[in-house]
Amino acid sequence: AQSVTQLGSHVSVSEGALVLLRCNYSSSVPPYLFWYVQYPNQGLQLLLKYTTGATLVKGINGFEAEFKKSETSFHLTKPSAHMSDAAEYFCAVSATSGGSYIPTFGRGTSLIVHP
Amino acid sequence: EAGVVQSPRYKIIEKKQPVAFWCNPISGHNTLYWYLQNLGQGPELLIRYENEEAVDDSQLPKDRFSAERLKGVDSTLKIQPAELGDSAVYLCASSFSGGLQFFGPGTRLTVL
Repeated sequence: AQSVTQLGSHVSVSEGALVLLRCNYSSSVPPYLFWYVQYPNQGLQLLLKYTTGATLVKGINGFEAEFKKSETSFHLTKPSAHMSDAAEYFCAVSATSGGSYIPTFGRGTSLIVHP
Repeated sequence: EAGVVQSPRYKIIEKKQPVAFWCNPISGHNTLYWYLQNLGQGPELLIRYENEEAVDDSQLPKDRFSAERLKGVDSTLKIQPAELGDSAVYLCASSFSGGLQFFGPGTRLTVL
C-alpha cells in the first residue's frame, strides 16, 4: 500500500521568495515519486520525478525536489517564486504493476504568489 | 505533437440523466487511464487500459459507470444514471506501455 501526505492545502509566498511545498510518502516498496502541476482548467503536467539514483532531482521551471528516505519526504522547492508559478501542485507516489506506473496522488497544495 | 484530447470540456446535466466523455490519447500510446478528480482532491484512478483490455477497473463503480476502448485507441467513459455526487473533473491520461503519463485537460461535469 502507498499513500502521500501533502502538508498545507495552501501556501502563500511573495514574488521572489523561496517556495517550499511539503510531501511525505508511505510505501511498502522502494518508491517512485513525482510532482505534478495543474493550472486552472488544465490537466496535470509533470514537473519532475525520482526513480533511482541521484536523490536531488531537477525539474522544469526551476523546481527541484530531494528524496530523503530517512524522512520519507520528497519536498518541492524553488529559490525564487514567479507569479506564473501560481497553481495547484500534486505529489504522487508509485509502485509498479507489471512494469506500469500507478501513481497515488496527494490532495494537492495550492500555491499563491503575491506581487 | 498533439496531446491527449478530451471532449466535451464542460458538461451540465440533471441528475438521473446519462452522460458520456470521450478521450483520444497521444498517438502511439497503448496505455490509457481514466481518473476522477473531486474538488480539492488529487486524481483517483477509475480504470486502466492496456490496448483494448481493461487491466485495472477495481475502482470503477460498475453499477452506473462503464468504459470502453474498442479499437485500443480512443475511449469513452459513461455514467448512467448520473447522481449529484458525480460532479467532478474526469481526467484522461495516456502513456507508452505504462510509463510516464500525459494528462488531458479534463471534462468538468456538473450534475444538477
